[in-house]
Amino acid sequence: AQRVTQPEKLLSVFKGAPVELKCNYSYSGSPELFWYVQYSRQRLQLLLRHISRESIKGFTADLNKGETSFHLKKPFAQEEDSAMYYCALKGEYGNKLVFGAGTILRVKS
Amino acid sequence: GAGVSQSPRYKVAKRGQDVALRCDPISGHVSLFWYQQALGQGPEFLTYFQNEAQLDKSGLPSDRFFAERPEGSVSTLKIQRTQQEDSAVYLCASSSLQVPLYGYTFGSGTRLTVV
Repeated sequence: AQRVTQPEKLLSVFKGAPVELKCNYSYSGSPELFWYVQYSRQRLQLLLRHISRESIKGFTADLNKGETSFHLKKPFAQEEDSAMYYCALKGEYGNKLVFGAGTILRVKS
Repeated sequence: GAGVSQSPRYKVAKRGQDVALRCDPISGHVSLFWYQQALGQGPEFLTYFQNEAQLDKSGLPSDRFFAERPEGSVSTLKIQRTQQEDSAVYLCASSSLQVPLYGYTFGSGTRLTVV
């Protein structure tokens, strides 16, 4: 079965501090992993996909198959990073995304 | 269109009433998905279309839920005899076939409240 776990409901950090949003997954094959973000009063939007190994808005995420993790990191948090973040997995077969429950990131000034 | 459009944005239904939720995907996107997001939870998959074919409906919670996409563009999610546990945000997403490269584009959702 495919499962995504985001252990923290809320992560509160000060501006300029490092951020790590945790994501662990359960899947026996080779998954595709994504991070989606939802800013206040906006729609869910794609932030990162592991396949492209990119950095968006200073965020990066590395797929660690040994630890089955895909943690989202940013070295210096900004107030505009405050949002709800969802980790999502797509299996090799089929097209559906399985989402975690989400983590609220609150960046304090 | 420029994005995925969903209507209505808000719907209040009396228990037992039937509702229909509409999704206009991005033009040219062959894949269309419906998700249900309960309060405080992540989106949960309901069903998937590739063009007009419904290839996966494993997430539909009961036979009261029905989705269609007859011409391979606009889709409608219908819920019959609504119950309080159906209260949620219903999200539609579309994508090209290149899912790993481009991900999914989501609409703003329809917030359904069953009273």
